[in-house]
Amino acid sequence: SQQGEEDPQALSIQEGENATMNCSYKTSINNLQWYRQNSGRGLVHLILIRSNEREKHSGRLRVTLDTSKKSSSLLITASRAADTASYFCATVRQGTYKYIFGTGTRLKVLA
Amino acid sequence: EAQVTQNPRYLITVTGKKLTVTCSQNMNHEYMSWYRQDPGLGLRQIYYSMNVEVTDKGDVPEGYKVSRKEKRNFPLILESPSPNQTSLYFCASSLGAGGDTQYFGPGTRLTVL
Repeated sequence: SQQGEEDPQALSIQEGENATMNCSYKTSINNLQWYRQNSGRGLVHLILIRSNEREKHSGRLRVTLDTSKKSSSLLITASRAADTASYFCATVRQGTYKYIFGTGTRLKVLA
Repeated sequence: EAQVTQNPRYLITVTGKKLTVTCSQNMNHEYMSWYRQDPGLGLRQIYYSMNVEVTDKGDVPEGYKVSRKEKRNFPLILESPSPNQTSLYFCASSLGAGGDTQYFGPGTRLTVL
């Protein structure tokens, strides 16, 4: 089965620094979503970017999408210890109703 | 409060003993889905449902069954669990399909001995 890939797999930064994580996918999509998961809990939706958008902001989050490269990035600015979590990108395979999640980036923000 | 609930949250069972994990949402969502999460593999979709009585396979459906008799409920059935089904399971729902925001349940940690 096809899977998205996040990069890096793990990231450790100091509080106040910016965190950037990347996602690549394999099929054509209608939109791409980012989710956060705290330590084995349910995922929480962060932001959705549509295939005709190139950049989107929500608070300290900035998401970009490059459909020609089939890739997206999530930037968290001025990170906080509470941002420590795993982050996943998710897409729906175009023409289907099947979701594909990436393998995730584990972010650790040190106070 | 809008939410997706799952029960049980933790379950230890033995090979071959049929079990059901329940999932319920109170948001009148049409789309519901089951995922399993394993270390290093991310989330993989098991089954999804577009609406009542409409279900379809995700990427890893083998060994699982689902039903959608009511809009709010989407149980996951393991008729003969095996150790390779030991995993963390999540139910999720969204207003529609095609990439709507999904709302996730708290997860069910299943161990099959």
